[in-house]
Amino acid sequence: KAGVTQTPRYLIKTRGQQVTLSCSPISGHRSVSWYQQTPGQGLQFLFEYFSETQRNKGNFPGRFSGRQFSNSRSEMNVSTLELGDSALYLCASSGRGAGETQYFGPGTRLLVL
Amino acid sequence: GESVGLHLPTLSVQEGDNSIINCAYSNSASDYFIWYKQESGKGPQFIIDIRSNMDKRQGQRVTVLLNKTVKHLSLQIAATQPGDSAVYFCAENIRSGGYQKVTFGTGTKLQVIP
Repeated sequence: KAGVTQTPRYLIKTRGQQVTLSCSPISGHRSVSWYQQTPGQGLQFLFEYFSETQRNKGNFPGRFSGRQFSNSRSEMNVSTLELGDSALYLCASSGRGAGETQYFGPGTRLLVL
Repeated sequence: GESVGLHLPTLSVQEGDNSIINCAYSNSASDYFIWYKQESGKGPQFIIDIRSNMDKRQGQRVTVLLNKTVKHLSLQIAATQPGDSAVYFCAENIRSGGYQKVTFGTGTKLQVIP
């Protein structure tokens, strides 16, 4: 079974731009969660989607948004990029989400200049 | 409040020795705990998990111990190898209304000395 895939792997943007990251979960998984990882803050939960609905959200500003498609693929969008948004963005999938192990993708490394 | 914390940011171990990585949690409602390994440039990789109704679980060369009395979790790696060098995260999972909330610790860097 193929693992979680994320595209692109690396991205360079400038302040004020917007970015869209993509995640394809493991086949059959319906829950997709997004995390931001930085050296200073560690792994921080952004949001979780299940069956195209956001059902859990972390403490991030509204510039961070996401969506999930009927095939469970998910995208996250960051608008009006700030320097502090530079991070590794990780996507994780699980079957149903509740009480199940999450499997992570390799991440998208975003650098904001 | 809820938090997951790691006692040691960096652990250096001689190759062949056993490694013990510790983790404290504070939310007694956590019912599921996971250890992840993250190598440089990669996403976290699942190692082993344990549910709150257990106090020990063994995998291949790894053992997780859960002490609910003191809210402590540990990962033991037997016969540590250079390939074990990575950052290890513990995570606690709380189920609420059918949803899950996963909180990660800050991570411990394991350095294996050849």
